[in-house]
Amino acid sequence: AQTVTQSQPEMSVQEAETVTLSCTYDTSESDYYLFWYKQPPSRQMILVIRQEAYKQQNATENRFSVNFQKAAKSFSLKISDSQLGDAAMYFCAYRRNAGGTSYGKLTFGQGTILTVHP
Amino acid sequence: EPEVTQTPSHQVTQMGQEVILRCVPISNHLYFYWYRQILGQKVEFLVSFYNNEISEKSEIFDDQFSVERPDGSNFTLKIRSTKLEDSAMYFCASRRDRSRGTQYFGPGTRLTVL
Repeated sequence: AQTVTQSQPEMSVQEAETVTLSCTYDTSESDYYLFWYKQPPSRQMILVIRQEAYKQQNATENRFSVNFQKAAKSFSLKISDSQLGDAAMYFCAYRRNAGGTSYGKLTFGQGTILTVHP
Repeated sequence: EPEVTQTPSHQVTQMGQEVILRCVPISNHLYFYWYRQILGQKVEFLVSFYNNEISEKSEIFDDQFSVERPDGSNFTLKIRSTKLEDSAMYFCASRRDRSRGTQYFGPGTRLTVL
């Protein structure tokens, strides 16, 4: 079974600084997706960024980028120029590429609470 | 931009009562999911639904739970006899493609069982 581990229960960063959130995962699959979701106090789940395992290039979305290390099964999220609105719980998630009997369920890590200090 | 909607936003019920949580997925999506998040814990998969039947379910999704797509737009989660431990946030999600594509989540329904 796939597992996703976020070893940092809490992180903090100063506004305008950079922070990196860690995520590791375990899978025997070679074709899969990895995601970072943001959950603000409203508890809505908002997609931040996604990475396809077959792509070597790290995904970027504006101030958000990932460091995807497939061999190490590591998928960290870097937030540059942190803003107060970035404060939230961040979840790393894994999805096997749906095929065969897989219908694409997401497996989540435990989450990292990010605090942004003004 | 199309989005997944869920109603109600908050449901309070007595232990043993039946509840139905409703979701309207994005209109051209084909794959539907329910997830649960107990307060302070991670999000857990409950069930996936495709072509009017359950395609995958977790150990949490026992006989007390059922899902239905009654009219081609709504997607419902029913809990027949609620327990205290069913108190959680319930998220609906939908996805267009089977092999590719991102799951989009609704805002969640907070279920409180007293």
